Order: sequence, then C-alpha cells, then structure tokens
Amino acid sequence: GENVGLHLPTLSVQEGDNSIINCAYSNSASDYFIWYKQESGKGPQFIIDIRSNMDKRQGQRVTVLLNKTVKHLSLQIAATQPGDSAVYFCAEKGSNTDKLIFGTGTRLQVFP
Amino acid sequence: SAVISQKPSRDICQRGTSLTIQCQVDSQVTMMFWYRQQPGQSLTLIATANQGSEATYESGFVIDKFPISRPNLTFSTLTVSNMSPEDSSIYLCSVMGYSGANVLTFGAGSRLTVL
Repeated sequence: GENVGLHLPTLSVQEGDNSIINCAYSNSASDYFIWYKQESGKGPQFIIDIRSNMDKRQGQRVTVLLNKTVKHLSLQIAATQPGDSAVYFCAEKGSNTDKLIFGTGTRLQVFP
Repeated sequence: SAVISQKPSRDICQRGTSLTIQCQVDSQVTMMFWYRQQPGQSLTLIATANQGSEATYESGFVIDKFPISRPNLTFSTLTVSNMSPEDSSIYLCSVMGYSGANVLTFGAGSRLTVL
C-alpha cells in the first residue's frame, strides 16, 4: 500500500516556541489528510484535518499546511505548551475509500 | 465525539492462547475498524468490521489469526488467536460516522503483552 512518512522522528522544543511537524505522503490520489495526537496510554485524538482543495487550515493554536505539488503536509503548533508533548501522526485517505493510512509518527518533547 | 470503550485495557497472555478484545460504542456508527500499533510504531489497519458480514482484512492479516465479529452497529470484537510474543501490541478500535461525522475516532486501545 501507499506509505505516509515523516522526516523527523523526534522534535524537541522549548515551551513557548512554535513547533513544526512535517509529513511526506506518496499517494497523489489522496484527497483528505488528518493530524492526530497520541498521548501515552491513550488512543490517537483528532487535531485538525484538511481537504486537497485547500492549502491551509487553522484551528486553535494549530495550523495545517498542504503542498500538493511536493506531496508535503505540516502541522504548526503555536506557543508550544508542555501539554503538547505527545506523538503526532499524519494520516491520508483517498476519495474512493474509508480507510486511513498513517505515517510513522513524530514525538514532540516540550522543555520548560 | 463518540465514546468508545475497549476491554480489556491491558492483559498479559501466555504463548499459544487466544484473547478477545471488545469494543463498545455509545451510539450507532457506520464504520468500525481495528488497528494494531506495535511498540514505538505507527498504526496499521488490520480490518474493517462489517455489520452482519465477514470483516474485510488488509494485506498481511487473515481471519484465522484475527477473527472479528460485528453483530450490530455499536459493538465489535477482535480475537488474537494462538498468540506469540510478536503479537504484543496495542490493538485499537476506531469508528467513523458517529453523528454523521467523517472523522475517525479511536478507543484508548488494548495493550497486550505475550510471554
């Protein structure tokens, strides 16, 4: 199947700084992308999504950017807080399927 | 979002035994999926649990090893059969279609350790 990969397995940031987590996807037919946050001992939680007809979407302190030309997705977290420490996964879905394919994950560590 | 309850939350199992994981959702959903998350890794889809019919398995997963039931729109089970240490993983139930939403929502997972 198609793989969704991440450039950085671990990202360490200082509290208050902005974080950027990157993801490369390989299936050009994917038209829906989601970022999930997984804290220790919990299932993944939805953060934000974006459809392929958009290149940017903003939520509360988070922004997702989609570059379809280079098949790249990023999650930006503003003013990173200790509670943001978790593993972040990107996931993609094609228009003709209900299945989500997940990337390898990036661990975000926030230091005081 | 959906409230998804998985049981057991964790278990330690002996090699060669089987364990059934239950997933209960607080409302009817259209789609239910089972994922596996091996230690330190991402999520891999095992199968789509189809209500009233056989599950649809992904490449590398077979019904004899991971039998799945879905008797109604709120409940599903995944059995891990004839376990070996390589089956030590977190198994996650997920649903789509809760309140019409198109977002995949996950349970907390069932962490299995096979000795």
